[in-house]
Amino acid sequence: GENVEQHPSTLSVQEGDSAVIKCTYSDSASNYFPWYKQELGKRPQLIIDIRSNVGEKKDQRIAVTLNKTAKHFSLHITETQPEDSAVYFCAASRSGGGADGLTFGKGTHLIIQP
Amino acid sequence: DTAVSQTPKYLVTQMGNDKSIKCEQNLGHDTMYWYKQDSKKFLKIMFSYNNKELIINETVPNRFSPKSPDKAHLNLHINSLELGDSAVYFCASSPGTRMQYFGPGTRLTVT
Repeated sequence: GENVEQHPSTLSVQEGDSAVIKCTYSDSASNYFPWYKQELGKRPQLIIDIRSNVGEKKDQRIAVTLNKTAKHFSLHITETQPEDSAVYFCAASRSGGGADGLTFGKGTHLIIQP
Repeated sequence: DTAVSQTPKYLVTQMGNDKSIKCEQNLGHDTMYWYKQDSKKFLKIMFSYNNKELIINETVPNRFSPKSPDKAHLNLHINSLELGDSAVYFCASSPGTRMQYFGPGTRLTVT
């Protein structure tokens, strides 16, 4: 089955700086890669996703890049703000999140220092 | 008009008991899921289900069983609860090819 590795487990950055979280996946058949943000005590919420036919996607301060050959994808957050502090999860799926569900990485605790 | 709802939000019970967690979605999605988030925050798929197919993660003990009375509901039944079952359980739904919407979670504590 799919295996998703995520690094780093904790990331502390100064407010206003950029943050980068990296993930690798093992199943070359995976074709859907979402990123979820989870605040303390809350549900995971999708912040951005990318499909395997696209190399990069951007939404305001958030961007995701995908390298299918190397089987890795990354989340980039620019101009970080205190409200960006949360746990971020990458995930991979063969079926676009369909019958197979999502295989998650172990999460990155992002801390924004004021 | 919550998209995916779960009840109860908190569940405290003793070892050996049987309990259920209910999940409902009003999005008209065909596929629903159960995920377990352990104390280290690791999220793991337990089941995915649509009106045609149930896929069970092979690591899930058979004490756990999903029950779907209709397309909008996927309940989770747990028999003979163990200490290691303590976790947050999230229900989710998806139209099948796009993002998954998560419920608010049920924090299960087994004493």
